[in-house]
Amino acid sequence: LAKTTQPISMDSYEGQEVNITCSHNNIATNDYITWYQQFPSQGPRFIIQGYKTKVTNEVASLFIPADRKSSTLSLPRVSLSDTAVYYCLVAASGTYKYIFGTGTRLKVLA
Amino acid sequence: DTGVSQDPRHKITKRGQNVTFRCDPISEHNRLYWYRQTLGQGPEFLTYFQNEAQLEKSRLLSDRFSAERPKGSFSTLEIQRTEQGDSAMYLCASSQAGGSHNEQFFGPGTRLTVL
Repeated sequence: LAKTTQPISMDSYEGQEVNITCSHNNIATNDYITWYQQFPSQGPRFIIQGYKTKVTNEVASLFIPADRKSSTLSLPRVSLSDTAVYYCLVAASGTYKYIFGTGTRLKVLA
Repeated sequence: DTGVSQDPRHKITKRGQNVTFRCDPISEHNRLYWYRQTLGQGPEFLTYFQNEAQLEKSRLLSDRFSAERPKGSFSTLEIQRTEQGDSAMYLCASSQAGGSHNEQFFGPGTRLTVL
């Protein structure tokens, strides 16, 4: 089963770009990489998903190198409201047992 | 609001009692998932339904846990003879057939406290 590893926590200041890297050495060929955001007492919320290279949407970018053994979520110009836990998710190969990583607690400071 | 809903939002029970939680997925979603999340940890997968069929169960789902989705719409998760270790947030998610399994939409969760 694909397992993910992320930094436990990160601090940033408002207006900065934040990059959070996730390691997934055992990712399977057909697996997608997805990132979720979670605020306290709420369910996770989908941010972005990708398979390879770069994906960008209105809130974030996702960079995936050719070997796909890691990925980097990039949040441009963070604000205080981006303070949350960010999870990297890789679909478990051949099953529906989705494994969330340990999560990265991002704290944005004024 | 047409998102995933869960009921109740909070449940406090005594050890040994049975509890049941309900999840109403987004109406056109035929895939439904249950997760458990404890403080400071990421969500842990419990089980997965496609329509009314339960296709996957985690080892975390002991004999005291049972989940159903009788008509392929709402789902229930029952915990029998609750233990203090069952205290957690129970999250339900749904997704649409044809999309990536990773595009899951989560409900607000049911927070269970076992005294």
